[in-house]
Amino acid sequence: QQQVKQSPQSLIVQKGGISIINCAYENTAFDYFPWYQQFPGKGPALLIAIRPDVSEKKEGRFTISFNKSAKQFSLHIMDSQPGDSATYFCAASLDNSGGYNKLIFGAGTRLAVHP
Amino acid sequence: DVKVTQSSRYLVKRTGEKVFLECVQDMDHENMFWYRQDPGLGLRLIYFSYDVKMKEKGDIPEGYSVSREKKERFSLILESASTNQTSMYLCASSLLGTEQYFGPGTRLLVL
Repeated sequence: QQQVKQSPQSLIVQKGGISIINCAYENTAFDYFPWYQQFPGKGPALLIAIRPDVSEKKEGRFTISFNKSAKQFSLHIMDSQPGDSATYFCAASLDNSGGYNKLIFGAGTRLAVHP
Repeated sequence: DVKVTQSSRYLVKRTGEKVFLECVQDMDHENMFWYRQDPGLGLRLIYFSYDVKMKEKGDIPEGYSVSREKKERFSLILESASTNQTSMYLCASSLLGTEQYFGPGTRLLVL
């Protein structure tokens, strides 16, 4: 019930195309859903995050779509660029009364954007 | 800018050795975390700490211990390294209930 399932494992997109990465979760108590981006040789960095009170959040070319009833959320990268080539992780957490967000991560998606 | 630094980028150790991985953050964050990252498995939480001298087990604590004597420093200890602990180790820190900031990682090879 604590798992977050992410797909696809890898994705190849042409420059200018749309990249879509999907995640599903089981625990309905999760209330914070971030996406992290990781470039080779670097640690992951927060890209965008959403809470379940909204169905969509957009920041520039990056959009999270959230479907509470289906327990799914997805990352859309519009006008994908070679510089977006990275590994993307979805995550979910349960806000803890102690104040720390214990994140449950998906397995990751390696995105390659070809020029 | 938040900075999380890890003591080594690459480490090679032998089976049975005691291994120390150090992590330091410079933003006075309460929470610190240790993850391991393996292909196809994502990031898995080993231990976390929400205050000095406080620690909680994560999802895969077996074979590991941690120490947090100062707020800015969180150490991961492999008491007796084994080959199945070959992995990328990532440290992170956060304020209460907010974004986690990650270090660059330590790639550990146990021979």
